[in-house]
Amino acid sequence: AQTVTQSQPEMSVQEAETVTLSCTYDTSESDYYLFWYKQPPSRQMILVIRQEAYKQQNATENRFSVNFQKAAKSFSLKISDSQLGDAAMYFCAYRSARAGANSKLTFGKGITLSVRP
Amino acid sequence: DGGITQSPKYLFRKEGQNVTLSCEQNLNHDAMYWYRQDPGQGLRLIYYSQIVNDFQKGDIAEGYSVSREKKESFPLTVTSAQKNPTAFYLCASKPHLGQTNTEAFFGQGTRLTVV
Repeated sequence: AQTVTQSQPEMSVQEAETVTLSCTYDTSESDYYLFWYKQPPSRQMILVIRQEAYKQQNATENRFSVNFQKAAKSFSLKISDSQLGDAAMYFCAYRSARAGANSKLTFGKGITLSVRP
Repeated sequence: DGGITQSPKYLFRKEGQNVTLSCEQNLNHDAMYWYRQDPGQGLRLIYYSQIVNDFQKGDIAEGYSVSREKKESFPLTVTSAQKNPTAFYLCASKPHLGQTNTEAFFGQGTRLTVV
């Protein structure tokens, strides 16, 4: 079974600064997807970024980028130029890319990010 | 606008009563999911459905039941057998279970409180 670990329950960042959220995972599969989801106070789950394991290039979406280290099974999220609207809970998640898999997402426990003005 | 609608947003239940949470999608998605969220626990999969009239247990199915009579609807019943039902419940849908390059959309959730 796959597991996703987010060991930091809370982090804080100054507005306009950069912050990195950590995530590690465990799997025996070679092909999979990794995600970061944002859950603001409204509790709507929003997909922030997605990484395909077979791609060596790290995914980037505007101010959000990842550092994907497949051998180390590490998948961190970097938020640049932090904004007040970035304050939320962030979840790291895993999904198998195996044909026939049920496409379920396995989530970490989440990290609460606060942004100081 | 297409999307996933969960209702109600807040739900209160007395101990010993069954309660049904609604999830409707107009995205024409085949696959639908129910997740439970507890503080400090992340999201855990309760049930999922690939097609109409078919569904499978997830990681924490005990005390829950579902049905999938229509493609757009996937209601979740929290039964009296669920020992700790107070939680936030999220429904999600995905275009097709086999399409690994498409991602799930989430509803806005239902907060269930047992009183």
